[in-house]
Amino acid sequence: GAVVSQHPSRVICKSGTSVKIECRSLDFQATTMFWYRQFPKQSLMLMATSNEGSKATYEQGVEKDKFLINHASLTLSTLTVTSAHPEDSSFYICSASPPRTYTYEQYFGPGTRLTVT
Amino acid sequence: EDQVTQSPEALRLQEGESSSLNCSYTVSGLRGLFWYRQDPGKGPEFLFTLYSAGEEKEKERLKATLTKKESFLHITAPKPEDSATYLCAVRRATGGFKTIFGAGTRLFVKA
Repeated sequence: GAVVSQHPSRVICKSGTSVKIECRSLDFQATTMFWYRQFPKQSLMLMATSNEGSKATYEQGVEKDKFLINHASLTLSTLTVTSAHPEDSSFYICSASPPRTYTYEQYFGPGTRLTVT
Repeated sequence: EDQVTQSPEALRLQEGESSSLNCSYTVSGLRGLFWYRQDPGKGPEFLFTLYSAGEEKEKERLKATLTKKESFLHITAPKPEDSATYLCAVRRATGGFKTIFGAGTRLFVKA
């Protein structure tokens, strides 16, 4: 099956610093990756769609200058949380879809738990 | 507006007690309906994709069905290891890749 990895799995940072989270598709090329945020006992909230070689598409209400997304290759997308604040503490999950035209399922990474102190 | 509603929010079963989870959806043209399993502190794990009304898919103790307005995830003779949150999601036929997720059903299976 399709495997997506994320790094780091957990990170603690101080308020005002920036944190980078990596998302990799290990056994397939992904022209599109997705970044989600999940609060405790709530569902996934799509933050942005990351497109290889072009700018990410952000969902309404998501600050593009705060959550920087870079999709530099067909297997790597990064999310940088800039000037992090305690309210940015959350579980961040990325996903990708294998490049087949007839299926649309997403494969998720294991998630990154961000804690801002 | 596109919407996915899952019920119940939580379900407690005894081991071997079969039941169903519901996912009601409204979407302007369905491209696919997905079921995922999510364990605490982990990313969702893909289970099924359903594309059209009447379609059914099975995997071990799980069976997913689809109508024009809802989907059911039937769990037959569940075991404690089936305890997890089950997420339903839909992708519409237009509007790009966006997938809309329901809030999930937390399933607890007691031995």
